[in-house]
Amino acid sequence: GALVYQYPRRTICKSGTSMRMECQAVGFQATSVAWYRQSPQKTFELIALSTVNSAIKYEQNFTQEKFPISHPNLSFSSMTVLNAYLEDRGLYLCGAREAGANQAPLFGEGTRLSVL
Amino acid sequence: GDSVTQKQGQVTLSEDDFLFINCTYSTTTYPTLFWYVQYPGQGPQLLLKVTTANNKGISRGFEATYDKGTTSFHLQKASVQESDSAVYFCALVGNYAQGLTFGLGTRVSVFP
Repeated sequence: GALVYQYPRRTICKSGTSMRMECQAVGFQATSVAWYRQSPQKTFELIALSTVNSAIKYEQNFTQEKFPISHPNLSFSSMTVLNAYLEDRGLYLCGAREAGANQAPLFGEGTRLSVL
Repeated sequence: GDSVTQKQGQVTLSEDDFLFINCTYSTTTYPTLFWYVQYPGQGPQLLLKVTTANNKGISRGFEATYDKGTTSFHLQKASVQESDSAVYFCALVGNYAQGLTFGLGTRVSVFP
């Protein structure tokens, strides 16, 4: 079956340092990958949407300089949180989707980022 | 921009009770509508989706009707079980060049 793996599941970093998280699609081709952050007081905030062979589109309040994303092939994507601070804490989710009308994104279990 | 509203932050029920979760949306597109369910420590899982107005999605005893007239996509289940305890998110996508827009979620707690 189709699955999305995210790793690490949990990570802790010191304030001002950076953290890279990865997303692996298994059993399908991840034509597009969206990265979200889920915080306790907020629902899923879309960070950016990456489509293979297209530019990565960042949402307002999120930038490539802060959250650089790589999506080199149809099974893998990574995102780095640069210079992490307390407000960057949360559960980072990868939602991957195969090309085709009306395909629902498949989510991984997320990477929970804590910042000390 | 697109938005999804879930009025209920929390719903507490007993087993075999009827579940109703309110969801309304706003968009200028012809959206696809989703319900996702999230269990503790896990990512959201697709529960059901509906792509066409006035159609109903059904899955695992849950159902939701895409009502274009009232811009609603309420989730219902006739008889809940303790295992249905989770957080339920209503979401939409207007264009697959975009990501999903989620509601704030409704935490459902079912007690035996």
